[in-house]
Amino acid sequence: EAQVTQNPRYLITVTGKKLTVTCSQNMNHEYMSWYRQDPGLGLRQIYYSMNVEVTDKGDVPEGYKVSRKEKRNFPLILESPSPNQTSLYFCASSLMGSRQETQYFGPGTRLLVL
Amino acid sequence: AQSVAQPEDQVNVAEGNPLTVKCTYSVSGNPYLFWYVQYPNRGLQFLLKYITGDNLVKGSYGFEAEFNKSQTSFHLKKPSALVSDSALYFCAVIKAAGNKLTFGGGTRVLVKP
Repeated sequence: EAQVTQNPRYLITVTGKKLTVTCSQNMNHEYMSWYRQDPGLGLRQIYYSMNVEVTDKGDVPEGYKVSRKEKRNFPLILESPSPNQTSLYFCASSLMGSRQETQYFGPGTRLLVL
Repeated sequence: AQSVAQPEDQVNVAEGNPLTVKCTYSVSGNPYLFWYVQYPNRGLQFLLKYITGDNLVKGSYGFEAEFNKSQTSFHLKKPSALVSDSALYFCAVIKAAGNKLTFGGGTRVLVKP
């Protein structure tokens, strides 16, 4: 089944404790992206990747890191999480960039930073 | 900078009545426009998109949207709403030469029996 998977689905952590949220897709998509969803703000793009070893900042990259060493995986790293990073995070992928292609979304990761 | 506005936080409609969810956008150049739906505790699901061609786009679950370039709008419509259409709807835009997808704030639709 074609899908985007994220792990973990729920995470409670404390300020400053490094964490990684994994994202994997099995559709051989080149484009992958991370978003955060906050009430009233919709989804805001954190980082995106056009292909392996090619990443770029979205609208809200501060406090986050990403890597794209393999086509299928695009982990999101919070080196020193803070309470303002409490949010719902979505990973998405599409075939050849997001311009014309539909993005497929993962189920989401709900993060609480205490 | 590109942006999307969804002016209504919530839309209430009776089952069987027409449903409209409004979206206006701002982008330099030609836009590609998308509608996504989010059901509770789920990720976003694609409904429809406008890339080029006919201004009226038909999508999943009986939804359609009309691209209006002069009004920079892309309203989502359904002729007869179902209770199961109750969800959070997002409009999104990307410019034709761009790589970043910008979402609106979302509109919650509540269809009452």
